[in-house]
Amino acid sequence: GENVEQHPSTLSVQEGDSAVIKCTYSDSASNYFPWYKQELGKGPQLIIDIRSNVGEKKDQRIAVTLNKTAKHFSLHITETQPEDSAVYFCAASKSGSGYSTLTFGKGTMLLVSP
Amino acid sequence: GAVVSQHPSRVICKSGTSVKIECRSLDFQATTMFWYRQFPKQSLMLMATSNEGSKATYEQGVEKDKFLINHASLTLSTLTVTSAHPEDSSFYICSARAGTGVNTIYFGEGSWLTVV
Repeated sequence: GENVEQHPSTLSVQEGDSAVIKCTYSDSASNYFPWYKQELGKGPQLIIDIRSNVGEKKDQRIAVTLNKTAKHFSLHITETQPEDSAVYFCAASKSGSGYSTLTFGKGTMLLVSP
Repeated sequence: GAVVSQHPSRVICKSGTSVKIECRSLDFQATTMFWYRQFPKQSLMLMATSNEGSKATYEQGVEKDKFLINHASLTLSTLTVTSAHPEDSSFYICSARAGTGVNTIYFGEGSWLTVV
């Protein structure tokens, strides 16, 4: 089955700096890669996703890049703010007939200091 | 984005009793719903996948008779923890997937279960 590795497990940055979280996946058939932000005591919130037919996607301060050959994808947050502090999860799945499940990374705790 | 509502957000029950958690997709029809369990500082652990009108598919190691899942409509799935024990105390999260072949999955806010 699919295996998703996520690094780093914790990341501390100063407000205004950029943060990068990296994930690798094992199943070359995976074609959908979402990123979720989870605040303490709450459910994960989808913040951005990318499909395998594109290499990069950007939404304001957040961007995701995908390298299918290397089987890795990354989340980039620019101009970080204290409210960006949370746990971020990457995930991978593959579409097709029927349903598909998400395989999650172990999460990255991002701490943005003022 | 789409909204998934989960209820209750927090519940305390006595050991040996059963508790039901509801998951609703508010503005879309969810052909598939997923139930996760999350321990503190850990990732989400998939418990089961349910398609509307059919039996849930449970992950290895998850007791289907203990964690009853019903997906009676395209907007509602329920998880019932039967004969709850303190070790069942956890954060339970549902998610819903809209349509088929589309992978966008939205999560509920989670339910904290404490068994005393």
